[in-house]
Amino acid sequence: AQKITQTQPGMFVQEKEAVTLDCTYDTSDQSYGLFWYKQPSSGEMIFLIYQGSYDEQNATEGRYSLNFQKARKSANLVISASQLGDSAMYFCAMREGMIKAAGNKLTFGGGTRVLVKP
Amino acid sequence: GAVVSQHPSRVICKSGTSVKIECRSLDFQATTMFWYRQFPKQSLMLMATSNEGSKATYEQGVEKDKFLINHASLTLSTLTVTSAHPEDSSFYICSAKRTGYQETQYFGPGTRLLVL
Repeated sequence: AQKITQTQPGMFVQEKEAVTLDCTYDTSDQSYGLFWYKQPSSGEMIFLIYQGSYDEQNATEGRYSLNFQKARKSANLVISASQLGDSAMYFCAMREGMIKAAGNKLTFGGGTRVLVKP
Repeated sequence: GAVVSQHPSRVICKSGTSVKIECRSLDFQATTMFWYRQFPKQSLMLMATSNEGSKATYEQGVEKDKFLINHASLTLSTLTVTSAHPEDSSFYICSAKRTGYQETQYFGPGTRLLVL
């Protein structure tokens, strides 16, 4: 079974509008972390936002917010006031298990391509 | 923020040759780095976990003799694609976590490998 599922392969969004990118996950661990990364056409992976499984409040970082619904195992990314520069691939990723000092491996979803229209 | 570099950014080589890709954490130490592979229009697939001073941990299906990983210092990990073939052409990207800080992994800019 897929551990991270992003059901939207591609989306169009009008500039200045908000867009929600879906992400559902599957894990039996109680401790886990969820990440969103942005990958523009240049290829670099840009960290956007992080949500820990024990965090009670939804994470926010500027125009990015994470709608974390633990019971439904979803961690949707909301981008508000879309800009042309937001056009990119967006990946949801999960770290399972307790945080290791040296780092935990991530599992990525298939990604959603967002195209912002002027 | 933490900066991770990769070198080279692009490489074209002949089939049968070996290619070395470097991943450096420029302003922090990383005891662990990760190597991913990404085919066009696909997601990132973890290849291996690179541990400073010890052997790398490879994911299932990844040939350790084909993809040699050396984590010689707290700021450098190298991936060598040995006897490269056209099917090894891909985008290789590394990541590192800043030890002792929050768990966010920072990614390098990636290396595009084309094997002719």
